[in-house]
Amino acid sequence: DAGITQSPRHKVTETGTPVTLRCHQTENHRYMYWYRQDPGHGLRLIHYSYGVKDTDKGEVSDGYSVSRSKTEDFLLTLESATSSQTSVYFCAIRTGVNTEAFFGQGTRLTVV
Amino acid sequence: GENVEQHPSTLSVQEGDSAVIKCTYSDSASNYFPWYKQELGKRPQLIIDIRSNVGEKKDQRIAVTLNKTAKHFSLHITETQPEDSAVYFCAASSNDMRFGAGTRLTVKP
Repeated sequence: DAGITQSPRHKVTETGTPVTLRCHQTENHRYMYWYRQDPGHGLRLIHYSYGVKDTDKGEVSDGYSVSRSKTEDFLLTLESATSSQTSVYFCAIRTGVNTEAFFGQGTRLTVV
Repeated sequence: GENVEQHPSTLSVQEGDSAVIKCTYSDSASNYFPWYKQELGKRPQLIIDIRSNVGEKKDQRIAVTLNKTAKHFSLHITETQPEDSAVYFCAASSNDMRFGAGTRLTVKP
């Protein structure tokens, strides 16, 4: 499974609460990505990291923040969850820009 | 940022026929183009990829072509089988990696 683990796997939370999703890797890969997957939209990039403390926005970054204080962990925070953030969230890792990305198992988040 | 468009959104073929999925991208800095297959309830998995210095790549029944000048690339699956039924995603990558909206392929026995 390419040494990538997402937690939690499932979460139900209330509107307005903060939520943090964790992506943990054991591969020492430089690049880490957060995507959300919704029907009809494919995989949309939220934020990505190209090294410790180096992050950049993707195409749907509003309402989300990330942190990467060490190589193995990439955290995605929903500052104040809204129902529109109900989705399946995938983390991906890769060693370089021209290499295969490996995906985690996904986290199903429901905001009620 | 990069914008990737993928067509068609759904594709139904008879077993043994070929399937073609096409993608276009906007950022000329993109230099890596992977294709992923996602089965229901599972994570996306790479099936083939191509780099910008290559025009075509083949792996058994799967082939990918890239036209950098026109900024488009395509996935070709020959002799389709029912187990090829899934959602397929193209992507274009430089530092980030952006995906198309996906193609749901159904192979009818």
